[in-house]
Amino acid sequence: EPEVTQTPSHQVTQMGQEVILRCVPISNHLYFYWYRQILGQKVEFLVSFYNNEISEKSEIFDDQFSVERPDGSNFTLKIRSTKLEDSAMYFCASSGNQGNTEAFFGQGTRLTVV
Amino acid sequence: AQSVTQLDSQVPVFEEAPVELRCNYSSSVSVYLFWYVQYPNQGLQLLLKYLSGSTLVKGINGFEAEFNKSQTSFHLRKPSVHISDTAEYFCAVNGKGTSGSRLTFGEGTQLTVNP
Repeated sequence: EPEVTQTPSHQVTQMGQEVILRCVPISNHLYFYWYRQILGQKVEFLVSFYNNEISEKSEIFDDQFSVERPDGSNFTLKIRSTKLEDSAMYFCASSGNQGNTEAFFGQGTRLTVV
Repeated sequence: AQSVTQLDSQVPVFEEAPVELRCNYSSSVSVYLFWYVQYPNQGLQLLLKYLSGSTLVKGINGFEAEFNKSQTSFHLRKPSVHISDTAEYFCAVNGKGTSGSRLTFGEGTQLTVNP
């Protein structure tokens, strides 16, 4: 069964460092997303990506965040200068050509900023 | 814009008992509705979804949910739970007719099934 894969599963970084979280969406999907879940809180939308550009972003997705689909298979989230409050589980998701009928989620990357 | 309210943050039940996890939503447009489950240290797995048609939808692991448009609710039910159903359950919505739109999640309900 096709699945969304994320690497690494856990990343520890020092405050101020740049991190790149990687995702391989399901191969024939067209819409890609990043969500985050701060420990004990609900899952929050960060950004959606379609046709090689951001289609929607939340207020959380400020200038320190960026997304890229560098090679047609990977989908990355970069945090330019990490803060303590960026510590969270980050989920990648993808959906097919109907966009909003079902999103498939990866297992997540737990980011710990120290 | 949409919002989701899960009325119970924690639901403890005994094994083989029935359970209902409540979800209410608000939206200015028609919505698709979803329930996701998150087992400890894992990602989000789709349990079931309502897109259109019959208001009673059946999902995996014996769960079902009923869409009630007048009450803007989408409660999740299971007639007899197992220990393995212990997990966090999230209700989510997104806007119908808006391709690739964001999912808005509720706060989650921790279901704990005790022996």
